[in-house]
Amino acid sequence: ELKVEQNPLFLSMQEGKNYTIYCNYSTTSDRLYWYRQDPGKSLESLFVLLSNGAVKQEGRLMASLDTKARLSTLHITAAVHDLSATYFCAVRYGNKLVFGAGTILRVKS
Amino acid sequence: NAGVTQTPKFQVLKTGQSMTLQCAQDMNHEYMSWYRQDPGMGLRLIHYSVGAGITDQGEVPNGYNVSRSTTEDFPLRLLSAAPSQTSVYFCASSYSWGQPQHFGDGTRLSIL
Repeated sequence: ELKVEQNPLFLSMQEGKNYTIYCNYSTTSDRLYWYRQDPGKSLESLFVLLSNGAVKQEGRLMASLDTKARLSTLHITAAVHDLSATYFCAVRYGNKLVFGAGTILRVKS
Repeated sequence: NAGVTQTPKFQVLKTGQSMTLQCAQDMNHEYMSWYRQDPGMGLRLIHYSVGAGITDQGEVPNGYNVSRSTTEDFPLRLLSAAPSQTSVYFCASSYSWGQPQHFGDGTRLSIL
């Protein structure tokens, strides 16, 4: 059974500083996803990572994948208030998607 | 495009009642799924479908039924509601199983 662990579960960030969220998974998978959820809202797809060493960037967010270590990171550069949200990683397991518990990010001015 | 439409947005039920959560997508997506979201637990897969007429169980299927008679619709039925089923339910779809999923706005369900 695939298990997906995110850490930290809560991250209080200062504006302008850099931070990293980690996503570990227990079983080999061929793709990993990152989603964002604003409070009370739906989930929005951010990235799909398909292969070892894959790196994708969108604005201040950069995601990477190390399939050998079964680890993905989401790096935040120079945090801004608009990035406050909950971020989920999810791993493909056959026809199913297994989500991590989510990381709540709060950016303080 | 409407995307993924879920109805109702809110619902309160009494224990033992049954109801159907509706999900419709207009993107001609083959893959559809239902999740429940509970605090601190992320999203957990209830049931999914890889195409019309084909459904399968996810991680937490007990107490729920699904059917997929058309590509567009994927309703979730609660057979006899229990307080443990109080949650936010999300429907999602994608063109194929590997593509990122598009999520509906969710149904907030409370069972008293």
